[in-house]
Amino acid sequence: EAEVAQSPRYKITEKSQAVAFWCDPISGHATLYWYRQILGQGPELLVQFQDESVVDDSQLPKDRFSAERLKGVDSTLKIQPAELGDSAMYLCASSFLTSGGATDTQYFGPGTRLTVL
Amino acid sequence: DAKTTQPNSMESNEEEPVHLPCNHSTISGTDYIHWYRQLPSQGPEYVIHGLTSNVNNRMASLAIAEDRKSSTLILHRATLRDAAVYYCILRRSGGSNYKLTFGKGTLLTVNP
Repeated sequence: EAEVAQSPRYKITEKSQAVAFWCDPISGHATLYWYRQILGQGPELLVQFQDESVVDDSQLPKDRFSAERLKGVDSTLKIQPAELGDSAMYLCASSFLTSGGATDTQYFGPGTRLTVL
Repeated sequence: DAKTTQPNSMESNEEEPVHLPCNHSTISGTDYIHWYRQLPSQGPEYVIHGLTSNVNNRMASLAIAEDRKSSTLILHRATLRDAAVYYCILRRSGGSNYKLTFGKGTLLTVNP
């Protein structure tokens, strides 16, 4: 069964350093999402891509976070500089429907656990 | 977006049925009811969704109240592998943004 791949699985960094996370969605999935999950809470959307275009980045802290999906396939989320409050799980998800839909299923990767010291 | 309310936690015994409730009193006619679950140290996974009628799949059943202001996820025979956080989410049809808006969900503990 196809899965969403993410790397690294774990990342420890010091504050003010730069970090990057990578996501490879399920083949053929046009929509890609990055979520952040703080311990004890549900995931929160950071950015949504439709192919290579950003559909929603309203919750992305743009002064330090950036995301790209240059060829409409895999994606990178970057934080520079990292802050203590960025410690969280970063989840990538993908879905098939190109026009969106309230019934399409989102498939999540295993996440990257970030710890900022 | 309409909000959902779930109990913080529930407990069940293995091989017994589990009924996980969700209240969504402000649901609109175009809101679909979705359930996802998140096992420990994993990303969320889709469980089931419905609009008006009850739904069944290999994982669970979804019972939707006639007025749609509440729904119940039913696990027919809980196993230890069903221990997870269960999220009830509303998704509105139309538009281009279909993000999942997660609450805190219900932490299900399954006792052996």
